[in-house]
Amino acid sequence: KQEVTQIPAALSVPEGENLVLNCSFTDSAIYNLQWFRQDPGKGLTSLLLIQSSQREQTSGRLNASLDKSSGRSTLYIAASQPGDSATYLCAVKPDSNYQLIWGAGTKLIIKP
Amino acid sequence: EAGVTQFPSHSVIEKGQTVTLRCDPISGHDNLYWYRRVMGKEIKFLLHFVKESKQDESGMPNNRFLAERTGGTYSTLKVQPAELEDSGVYFCASSHGVGSEQYFGPGTRLTVT
Repeated sequence: KQEVTQIPAALSVPEGENLVLNCSFTDSAIYNLQWFRQDPGKGLTSLLLIQSSQREQTSGRLNASLDKSSGRSTLYIAASQPGDSATYLCAVKPDSNYQLIWGAGTKLIIKP
Repeated sequence: EAGVTQFPSHSVIEKGQTVTLRCDPISGHDNLYWYRRVMGKEIKFLLHFVKESKQDESGMPNNRFLAERTGGTYSTLKVQPAELEDSGVYFCASSHGVGSEQYFGPGTRLTVT
């Protein structure tokens, strides 16, 4: 049974710092992995999608990596800004079906 | 291009009542998914439609939940009768292909009192 864990549950850093959010999964047989952000009271915004054959994806100040063999993904945020404050969620799509399996999220606060 | 839309954004009902949530996927997306997040828990999958057919409903909690997608366009999720533990945020997503990126709606916050 696939399980997804995100550490830490919460993170508070000063503006301008680079930071890394972690996501681990127990079964390496995944089809892809998505990173999302959720703002308070809002929906889910897809940030990056990494296919199982890829090692990383980049979008602006965001870089996501994937190491299937070790069951890990990281989301790197460069030069953090207060507008980056949100909850970041990772979700994996197992090979065997089409649903997403979710982590509990990391609540990120960027202090001005 | 319009994104995934959900209605209502928030619903407050009493235990035992019925509520119907609606999701309009991105036009042309055959795949539609329902998820929910109850307080303090991870987001959980409920079911997956391919066009009008239920491909996977393994996440539906019990027979009080009924999802439909007549005509393969919008979908409804009915909860009847609602219980307190049904409170949470219900998300809908759609994708072009089954392996494609899933795009999410803003969610419906359901509160059962």
